[in-house]
Amino acid sequence: DTAVSQTPKYLVTQMGNDKSIKCEQNLGHDTMYWYKQDSKKFLKIMFSYNNKELIINETVPNRFSPKSPDKAHLNLHINSLELGDSAVYFCASSQVWSSYNSPLHFGNGTRLTVT
Amino acid sequence: TQLLEQSPQFLSIQEGENLTVYCNSSSVFSSLQWYRQEPGEGPVLLVTVVTGGEVKKLKRLTFQFGDARKDSSLHITAAQPGDTGLYLCAGASGGGADGLTFGKGTHLIIQP
Repeated sequence: DTAVSQTPKYLVTQMGNDKSIKCEQNLGHDTMYWYKQDSKKFLKIMFSYNNKELIINETVPNRFSPKSPDKAHLNLHINSLELGDSAVYFCASSQVWSSYNSPLHFGNGTRLTVT
Repeated sequence: TQLLEQSPQFLSIQEGENLTVYCNSSSVFSSLQWYRQEPGEGPVLLVTVVTGGEVKKLKRLTFQFGDARKDSSLHITAAQPGDTGLYLCAGASGGGADGLTFGKGTHLIIQP
């Protein structure tokens, strides 16, 4: 009965590799997000999708490519991984695309370590 | 770019003490949300405040939104070890197009 689930929980890989993180929500929400949390616990939005349509695309290297096959899924593919990509990546969803009063439901994160 | 400054960054106190965490900005927010994050988990919403001057209570936690909607505070009464965690404030500027702006968090440790 997990609300927002993302896999894998841990991902250790070498520089230059390509990897994907998957996210699924069973809340029936319209909007999904990817956030990056750095080593100092600062959370920064990367992407937002509303009903499979890209809404927010922050200044993120184009090595990062989100894909939303349907509104319950938002995957993140990363090409040519770099050391600086090491962080915890959180998937989140909200009921409506306006964040004005719609809380975020987060997954438990994927800790990516690039060696 | 809207910034949210949280203070203190770290706080370690004894069980039973009271504490206040602050979230300040020079920008006006439509609403402000508080989250708590525990190790190995994602942030979980505690409360959303919308109206300037609004006060919301969640058991021993009291949340206040500033009159000008630029700042907020979280007050915990008689802190317990279960309150330990990372407290994050997040501001919404209006429509969803901007997303939420998160503060850098307050690491709170309540020692038994």
